Amino acid sequence: DQQVKQNSPSLSVQEGRISILNCDYTNSMFDYFLWYKKYPAEGPTFLISISSIKDKNEDGRFTVFLNKSAKHLSLHIVPSQPGDSAVYFCAASAGSNYQLIWGAGTKLIIKP
Amino acid sequence: KAGVTQTPRYLIKTRGQQVTLSCSPISGHRSVSWYQQTPGQGLQFLFEYFSETQRNKGNFPGRFSGRQFSNSRSEMNVSTLELGDSALYLCASRGAGQGAIKDTEAFFGQGTRLTVV
Repeated sequence: DQQVKQNSPSLSVQEGRISILNCDYTNSMFDYFLWYKKYPAEGPTFLISISSIKDKNEDGRFTVFLNKSAKHLSLHIVPSQPGDSAVYFCAASAGSNYQLIWGAGTKLIIKP
Repeated sequence: KAGVTQTPRYLIKTRGQQVTLSCSPISGHRSVSWYQQTPGQGLQFLFEYFSETQRNKGNFPGRFSGRQFSNSRSEMNVSTLELGDSALYLCASRGAGQGAIKDTEAFFGQGTRLTVV
């Protein structure tokens, strides 16, 4: 049972436009959500996070939106740049041991 | 401060052999998690160690095992290697992991690329 789902395996966006990556979850106990970016043959790097007490968190070109009633979060990248081409993972945690549950990832391709 | 260090970076082993991978977490971090990533797959959680105890475990066979030392360094062992074990193995370290939500953020090493032939 996949508790965190990223239904789009890949996404292609024109450079300069907005990239929107989506993530759905099923466990209503999740209270913290994170986005990671991964280049080939490297470990994922942390991008941005959001607590369930918020519905939006912004950091430069990256904004994460959380819709708790829909159990949905999204990552917006504006404007998209070539260096943003990577695989993006959504992760969620719940409970006192903060185990991270990961989505399958979405490959973002920024076209020049 | 230094990041998460995984050794070796690359490894080639023969089917049936065993392998041990090492991970040194960020100084002060007590939680170490291991993940397997195969082509086209997401991050498959293997296990997490916290203060030398296995705290969480994924759905991998018993051939996959790990341990954590008192200095928080962790090792992962895979016995009786199979071709399907070829993957990028990632280690992630986190802070105390309890009572501080910021400690949920995981910091990853560059991984060990294991090829089983």
